[in-house]
Amino acid sequence: GQQLNQSPQSMFIQEGEDVSMNCTSSSIFNTWLWYKQDPGEGPVLLIALYKAGELTSNGRLTAQFGITRKDSFLNISASIPSDVGIYFCAGPSGSNYKLTFGKGTLLTVNP
Amino acid sequence: NAGVTQTPKFQVLKTGQSMTLQCAQDMNHEYMSWYRQDPGMGLRLIHYSVGAGITDQGEVPNGYNVSRSTTEDFPLRLLSAAPSQTSVYFCASSYRGGAGNTIYFGEGSWLTVV
Repeated sequence: GQQLNQSPQSMFIQEGEDVSMNCTSSSIFNTWLWYKQDPGEGPVLLIALYKAGELTSNGRLTAQFGITRKDSFLNISASIPSDVGIYFCAGPSGSNYKLTFGKGTLLTVNP
Repeated sequence: NAGVTQTPKFQVLKTGQSMTLQCAQDMNHEYMSWYRQDPGMGLRLIHYSVGAGITDQGEVPNGYNVSRSTTEDFPLRLLSAAPSQTSVYFCASSYRGGAGNTIYFGEGSWLTVV
């Protein structure tokens, strides 16, 4: 089946720093989704991308849908302590009931 | 989380016991899915349903059964729990044909099998 390779696996940064993470796939996706998961909670959608080359922002978060449709990037600017959590990329494998997830990036922000 | 309710939140089972994780949504979504999350593995699809009476297997279906008798409910059954099923389970629902931003997740069920 399809696989998503997400990197880095974890990041330790200082408050105020910018963060960048990415996701690559061996096959084409028509939608890229970025989720954040807080401890003890379910994934919450941050940004959805639907078109190759699309660049979308949500506050301090910016995500891009790669031109090849096989990759996507998420950037967080001026990180704050509440940005701590696990960030996942995901894409529908044919339909919305079959999401493929990356393994996640664990973000730690030191105040 | 908008309208997807999972119960129980936490459960400890002994090996060989059976149990059902409940999932209900009140958004009239056609699609419902179950995922499991293990450390370092992301979320993996167990079973899914595209409507009442229709279910199919995902990536990791072994050891789990599902049924969809109503649009609202999609229970996940463990017939004989094994330690390998210790995990966090998430239920999700979405509209048929909806965009990626119409997928909603429950808050999760933490299951430990001893």
